[in-house]
Amino acid sequence: DAKTTQPNSMESNEEEPVHLPCNHSTISGTDYIHWYRQLPSQGPEYVIHGLTSNVNNRMASLAIAEDRKSSTLILHRATLRDAAVYYCTCRGPCWTSYGKLTFGQGTILTVHP
Amino acid sequence: KAGVTQTPRYLIKTRGQQVTLSCSPISGHRSVSWYQQTPGQGLQFLFEYFSETQRNKGNFPGRFSGRQFSNSRSEMNVSTLELGDSALYLCASSLGGHKETQYFGPGTRLLVL
Repeated sequence: DAKTTQPNSMESNEEEPVHLPCNHSTISGTDYIHWYRQLPSQGPEYVIHGLTSNVNNRMASLAIAEDRKSSTLILHRATLRDAAVYYCTCRGPCWTSYGKLTFGQGTILTVHP
Repeated sequence: KAGVTQTPRYLIKTRGQQVTLSCSPISGHRSVSWYQQTPGQGLQFLFEYFSETQRNKGNFPGRFSGRQFSNSRSEMNVSTLELGDSALYLCASSLGGHKETQYFGPGTRLLVL
């Protein structure tokens, strides 16, 4: 089964950059890497996704390793509202081939004022 | 565009009962996926429906079932409830392709007593 591995927790100070890593060594060359975050008492929220090259949007940046075995979600200036659980997952052929894909435990991000 | 809606938001049932949860996807989205989220297991994939057909299934017993209607709305049913079924049940919709971003609803919190 496709599997993603993330650290259980990370901490940051407000207005500092945060780099959230994810290992996904089993994904195929056509699987997209997606990141979601879940705020307390809410459903997961889409953050960003990419295939091979780095991606930027208003929420974050996604840096994908050249071998695609890992990626890093970058929050350029963390705010208290960014405190959430961050999940990386894959979309694409992994979704049908593996079928039992889960989001894993995610990374709990704590932001200190 | 309205987001994904789920009803009811909260539910209390007793062991042995059955329950039906409802999900209305974003307009135009044809795929609906269901997830179970518990503190111990994280986000676990239940099943996915596309054009009224189950397209993918996770590792859950047959007590968990679902269906999708012609308007893409989906329901999931859990029969013979067990204490361990207490969880947050999330549904997510997407346009349909497996590389598409999923958009999650707020979830239904089920408590089984």
